[in-house]
Amino acid sequence: AQKVTQTQTSISVMEKTTVTMDCVYETQDSSYFLFWYKQTASGEIVFLIRQDSYKKENATVGHYSLNFQKPKSSIGLIITATQIEDSAVYFCAMREGSNNNAPRFGAGTKLTVKP
Amino acid sequence: EAAVTQSPRSKVAVTGGKVTLSCHQTNNHDYMYWYRQDTGHGLRLIHYSYVADSTEKGDIPDGYKASRPSQENFSLILELASLSQTAVYFCASSSGTGGSAETLYFGSGTRLTVL
Repeated sequence: AQKVTQTQTSISVMEKTTVTMDCVYETQDSSYFLFWYKQTASGEIVFLIRQDSYKKENATVGHYSLNFQKPKSSIGLIITATQIEDSAVYFCAMREGSNNNAPRFGAGTKLTVKP
Repeated sequence: EAAVTQSPRSKVAVTGGKVTLSCHQTNNHDYMYWYRQDTGHGLRLIHYSYVADSTEKGDIPDGYKASRPSQENFSLILELASLSQTAVYFCASSSGTGGSAETLYFGSGTRLTVL
């Protein structure tokens, strides 16, 4: 069975610094998709970035990047030059590559960026 | 931008009563999902569907039924609401599998309080 674990409940950083959020996953499938989503204070949930298991290169979108360590079943989210508006809850998710499957989410990490 | 609309935005129900949460998407997405959010548990998958007139059980289906009468609509039904079902419920949709089709688009959520 697939499982996603985020052990960091909350993180606090100073503005303009770099932060890494951890996520480990469990799956028996050789093909899978990994995601990070952001939930703002208003409750809105939006997609940030995706990593396909067969790709060796780490995905990057804007000031978000991933640290994909396949042997460790780990997919960390790195946010560089953090801004106040990055304060939110970040969810890691995984979808196994088997057809007609659904993504499963971790418990989330609350990020607070201080001025 | 994909649009997923949930109704109602909030609801107060009595224990033992029937509750129906509705979700409507206008983007021709094949996949639709219902997740439940509780503090400390992240997003947990209740039911999902990848084609009209068919639904699949997620990880916590007990006490919930789902209905997908058309591609656009996906409902979550609580036949006998219980106190433990107090939570925020999110509907999401995605167009398919692989690449950008994997992206989930979330509704704004329904806050359900069972008294």
